This record gives sequence, C-alpha cells and structure tokens, in this order.
Amino acid sequence: QLVLTQSPSASASLGASVKLTCTLSSGHSSYAIAWHQQQPEKGPRYLMKLNSDGSHSKGDGIPDRFSGSSSGAERYLTISSLQSEDEADYYCQTWGTGMVFGGGTKLTVL
Amino acid sequence: QVQLVQSGAEVKKPGASVKVSCKASGYTFTSYYMHWVRQAPGQGLEWMGIINPSGGSTSYAQKFQGRVTMTRDTSTSTVYMELSSLRSEDTAVYYCARDREYCSGGSCSRVIDYWGQGTLVTVSS
Repeated sequence: QLVLTQSPSASASLGASVKLTCTLSSGHSSYAIAWHQQQPEKGPRYLMKLNSDGSHSKGDGIPDRFSGSSSGAERYLTISSLQSEDEADYYCQTWGTGMVFGGGTKLTVL
Repeated sequence: QVQLVQSGAEVKKPGASVKVSCKASGYTFTSYYMHWVRQAPGQGLEWMGIINPSGGSTSYAQKFQGRVTMTRDTSTSTVYMELSSLRSEDTAVYYCARDREYCSGGSCSRVIDYWGQGTLVTVSS
C-alpha cells in the first residue's frame, strides 16, 4: 500500500535552513512526489514536483530558497534563509491508484 | 494566469446534499483533469476524486463511492462536486485542484499544480 510518512512538526530559527522529509512506503521508492505549502488560514499552494533522482520543477513564483532532493525512498524539501512567512504546514503528495497525501509537517519559525 | 474560483460557503442539514462549483480560467479547460480534495477542521488533506473535463469520466476515492458525483460544463469551464447524505463529519473546506500529468519511460505520475481558494461546507442540525 502506497503511504507517505511525514514528521508532525519541525522548527528552525529565522534566517536558518530546515530540511523536511517525506518517506515513501516500501516498494515505492521510484515514485515522484509534489510538495505543497499551507500557510495559516489559507489554502494550499503548490511548491514543486520532485523526482526520485532529485530533479525538481517548481511552481510559478516559488522563491529559490525552496529546493528539493531525494535519497532512496526519502524526498526532501529544504528551505533556506527562513522567513516568518515560511511558518506553515507542508504536505507531500503522490499518485498511485488515487492521490495520496502525507499527514503534513507543521513548521515553526523561531 | 491560471485561476480556479470556487462558490461560496454553504450550511447544510444532515442528510442533505451540497453542490460546489469551481470555475477555471487562464488555460485550456479540457486539457487538464481536475481533483477535489477536502480538509476537515484541524486535519490534513483528503483526496475525493478526479474528473476529466474533456470526456467527463471520473474516478472516486473508495470512501466516497456512492455519495459523490463530479460533473463539468465545458461551455462555462466549470467543474462541480456534489456530495449527498451529508453528516457532521463532512464539515470541511472543499478544494478543487488542477491536475498535471507527467509521463516518462512508460510510467505516469500526477501532481496538483493549482488550487482553488476553498469552499467551507458546514453540516449542522
């Protein structure tokens, strides 16, 4: 069964970098995913599509501070030079027989 | 620019139905599938299903089979999601979201690349 696993929470200081992880279930390590950001009281926003080889394509207007990488079944979202507006929930998403979402990671900027 | 504009908030009684609309603009409506995703208060994202605006074919998540109907009107570039037999657990924000398909080496993946602003549906007696 295709499952995406994310840590429920993460935190990092203003101006620092943070790396969020999304783990694909066993047997699905070749799958591409997408990352989405949801700021408080707002709808989700597409950040990027991330392939198993680490190549990624970002959505319109997504700053260079956001980047993606991959290692095995893990997909990463790195945010550098953290800003207050980066405090949000981050969801990974993939497609199997239907759309699958991870449980989300709540990022706190200290 | 791509825009997905949804209908306004709804309040429904248990057992009733709700129909949410999503008007697309800024791209060729029939060239991209559309998803519906919902988010209950304080919870994560839950996929409901997908519609092909070109032919109208649909695929629904098993959880919603028999209760959800997705349709489209190509003349107005609008997709609709109707959910019946509403219960309190259906209280959520409902989003339409555009699909982008990527195919390589014989396999395809889908991502959501644009989201609507969301429609709050409240089910309460």
